[in-house]
Amino acid sequence: NAGVTQTPKFRILKIGQSMTLQCTQDMNHNYMYWYRQDPGMGLKLIYYSVGAGITDKGEVPNGYNVSRSTTEDFPLRLELAAPSQTSVYFCASSYSQGVDSPLHFGNGTRLTVT
Amino acid sequence: GENVGLHLPTLSVQEGDNSIINCAYSNSASDYFIWYKQESGKGPQFIIDIRSNMDKRQGQRVTVLLNKTVKHLSLQIAATQPGDSAVYFCAENSGDSGYSTLTFGKGTMLLVSP
Repeated sequence: NAGVTQTPKFRILKIGQSMTLQCTQDMNHNYMYWYRQDPGMGLKLIYYSVGAGITDKGEVPNGYNVSRSTTEDFPLRLELAAPSQTSVYFCASSYSQGVDSPLHFGNGTRLTVT
Repeated sequence: GENVGLHLPTLSVQEGDNSIINCAYSNSASDYFIWYKQESGKGPQFIIDIRSNMDKRQGQRVTVLLNKTVKHLSLQIAATQPGDSAVYFCAENSGDSGYSTLTFGKGTMLLVSP
């Protein structure tokens, strides 16, 4: 099993550009999450999904959109990139909603917006 | 990622020493706590968890202590090895909506010298 795979690893965007961060998992997990991690800060939840076709906002959803058309894939879309979106983005998945079902993280996408 | 360590408190130890990493949590209603390890350029990895009805839990070379009176959590790593060098952070669950209500701490960087 590859686990959670994120692409690309690095990206530089100009202000106003758009891009999609890809996330796929091969563990047949229903629950998937997008987090951002800023220097010296804890992970913040952007969006999450409890299954195909269902998504919900997390703590910091503004400026982002998600979709969940399959169990495996959970892409994160930035429509109009802003410098405040410079961050490291992590996708994660879990078997169940209960926190005693461990979160499996990808290795992140480092995004710089200039 | 590499920037995760910026602005973080740092604990430097010698190989073979025991390490203690501390975490103060904010919500007295939190009932579940998790410790994660994050190596440079990688996503967080689950280390150990503890429920609020316990005050101590042991794993392989790691022990988590929970003091609810002062809202403090600690992670003890026995016989620290260079491979333990990473950022460690705690997370607390204060709701009943699974990972959507998980709050992550900022982390501590552990540096182990041979």
